[in-house]
Amino acid sequence: AQSVTQPDIHITVSEGASLELRCNYSYGATPYLFWYVQSPGQGLQLLLKYFSGDTLVQGIKGFEAEFKRSQSSFNLRKPSVHWSDAAEYFCAVGADTGFQKLVFGTGTRLLVSP
Amino acid sequence: NAGVTQTPKFQVLKTGQSMTLQCAQDMNHNSMYWYRQDPGMGLRLIYYSASEGTTDKGEVPNGYNVSRLNKREFSLRLESAAPSQTSVYFCASSEVQGRINQPQHFGDGTRLSIL
Repeated sequence: AQSVTQPDIHITVSEGASLELRCNYSYGATPYLFWYVQSPGQGLQLLLKYFSGDTLVQGIKGFEAEFKRSQSSFNLRKPSVHWSDAAEYFCAVGADTGFQKLVFGTGTRLLVSP
Repeated sequence: NAGVTQTPKFQVLKTGQSMTLQCAQDMNHNSMYWYRQDPGMGLRLIYYSASEGTTDKGEVPNGYNVSRLNKREFSLRLESAAPSQTSVYFCASSEVQGRINQPQHFGDGTRLSIL
């Protein structure tokens, strides 16, 4: 069975600074990997996804993530954080099945300081 | 806007009461899901429906039932609510295109409190 670990519960970053959120997964085959963002009181919005091919994937809002098979990681990055990026971020891994069951990490809450 | 619609957005129940959470999607997706979100635990899958006419248990199905009413609608029922079911419930849907599983689309959630 697949699993996801997000080791950081909270991260505080200054506005304009770079950001990296960590995600480690466990899955026996090639995983489908996702990052979602959740603003307070809202549902989850897809930031980016990795299915295959280029290991550096670009997403919305200036985010990118890199799939590293050797490290079982899929870390999320942004070069310059904006105050509006403050939210909770979830990494998820999906199995290669016909309907895509997802397993989510416990989330990382990003705080942006002025 | 196209997407996943959940009703109600908020609900307070007393222990032992029953309730059905409604979910509808207008993206013609085959697969639909119900999750619950609790602090520090991320999202956990309650039930899913891979296609119309089928439903299966997820990680935490106890205390819940589901109905895939048609391709658009997937409801979640609490027959006898318990305080442990206080949570935020999310419905999602997804599609397979060319054998590739597409990302799930989420509704805005139902915030359920059970006293």
